[in-house]
Amino acid sequence: EVQLVESGGGLVQPGRSLKLSCLASGFTFSNYGMNWIRQAPGKGLEWVASISSSSSYIYYADTVKGRFTISRDNAKNTLYLQMTSLRSEDTALYYCARQGYGDWYFDFWGPGTMVTVSS
Amino acid sequence: DIQMTQSPASLSASLEEIVTITCQASQDIGNWLAWYQQKPGKSPQLLIYDATSLADGVPSRFSGSRSGTQYSLKISRLQVEDIGSYYCQQAHSNPFTFGSGTKLEIK
Repeated sequence: EVQLVESGGGLVQPGRSLKLSCLASGFTFSNYGMNWIRQAPGKGLEWVASISSSSSYIYYADTVKGRFTISRDNAKNTLYLQMTSLRSEDTALYYCARQGYGDWYFDFWGPGTMVTVSS
Repeated sequence: DIQMTQSPASLSASLEEIVTITCQASQDIGNWLAWYQQKPGKSPQLLIYDATSLADGVPSRFSGSRSGTQYSLKISRLQVEDIGSYYCQQAHSNPFTFGSGTKLEIK
C-alpha cells in the first residue's frame, strides 16, 4: 500500500525557517517524481514544487522561488521542503504528492502537515 | 501561466442526479488535464487524468470529456459519498495550476 506521511509543520514567526519531511513507503520511491502542494485554510490547491526521480529536474512556483528548496534522499525514501523567509501567506496545509500516470498528475497524496506563520 | 477557470463554485444536487462541473483553460493544453475529489477533512484523490481516463479504483459513474479548451467532469448518478470539493488541474506546463474548486452538496 502506498503511504506518504508528512512531518515538520508547526507555528513559526515571519522571516524564520522550517523544514518539512515526507516519508514514503509501499512503492519504489526512487522511480517517481515527487511534489509539494499546499492548501491555505478554506482555500484551493496550489502546486509548490516538483523534483524528478533522480533530482535532475526541479521546478518551483514563482510564489516560493528563491525561498523554498525541494530535495530528496532516495536511500531514506524521504522528500524534503526547506522553507526560509516565511511569510503569513505561506500558512497552509502542505501535502506531499507522488507523480503518476505520466509526468504531472498526482496520484497519491499524504494527509498533510500544517504550517502556520504568525507572530 | 495557464489559468484554469472552474465553474460553478458551488453546486447542490439530489441523489441519483447527473452533475457536471466545467473548467476552461486559458490556452491549449491538449488532453493534459486531471480532476481531483477532496472529501471533507481528507486529502485530494485523483479521479481522471488525460482529460478522459479513469484512475484506478474510481467508480465508473465518474467521467471526463473535452471540447476544445473546455473540460468537463460528469457524475452520472450522484451518491452521498460524492460530497466534497472537486478541482481540475492542468498538467501541460509549469506551473501546474489548479482550478478554484467546486463544492458539491446533496440537496
